[in-house]
Amino acid sequence: EVQLVESGGGLVKPGGSLRLSCAASGFTFSSYSMNWVRQAPGKGLEWVSSISSSSSYIYYADSVKGRFTISRDNAKNSLYLQMNSLRAEDTAVYYCARSGANVPYYFDYWGQGTLVTVSS
Amino acid sequence: EIVMTQSPATLSVSPGERATLSCRASQSVSSNLAWYQQKPGQAPRLLIYGASTRATGIPARFSGSGSGTEFTLTISSLQSEDFAVYYCQQYNNWPPYSFGQGTKLEIK
Repeated sequence: EVQLVESGGGLVKPGGSLRLSCAASGFTFSSYSMNWVRQAPGKGLEWVSSISSSSSYIYYADSVKGRFTISRDNAKNSLYLQMNSLRAEDTAVYYCARSGANVPYYFDYWGQGTLVTVSS
Repeated sequence: EIVMTQSPATLSVSPGERATLSCRASQSVSSNLAWYQQKPGQAPRLLIYGASTRATGIPARFSGSGSGTEFTLTISSLQSEDFAVYYCQQYNNWPPYSFGQGTKLEIK
């Protein structure tokens, strides 16, 4: 069974940093691209970042480019999102999501999410 | 960037009836369109990919159609567990991946 479990969310002040983690199990993590998607309170889904299976290709939404860094450790079956210079508008539940097996990619499995609150 | 527009924002339907949700892309996305269901406090769940292919374990009452810029998700006979928010997503031209704003399906 595919499982994705996020952690690392919490309350942080504007300008602060936070590192999110996503622990994957039930599939060959190193064979799949992975993604972060966020959802502000009461709002819709917003794609944040994607990373290919070997970390060769990395993409960011314009809203986070230069502030967030996606990475992965295939030996630890883990995905990360380093978030710096956080703003109030970054407040959201952050989901990690697995890309489907073939290009072009949809997101076939999602974690339960971790809440990030940016407030003074 | 491709903009996805869903309609209506809220749809009120009685259990057992059919629900039809629409999604429009600002430019062609071929058949690279997915639908997700999200219940309160839960993560999104993949329902449909490739515009019309049901994901693993999705009941046959869910069907998707369309290509290019116009897409439809149909739920043939609504069950109580189907009342949720539904999002479409294009994955043809990325980055960025883009989602619609969602349609809330509520009990009439």
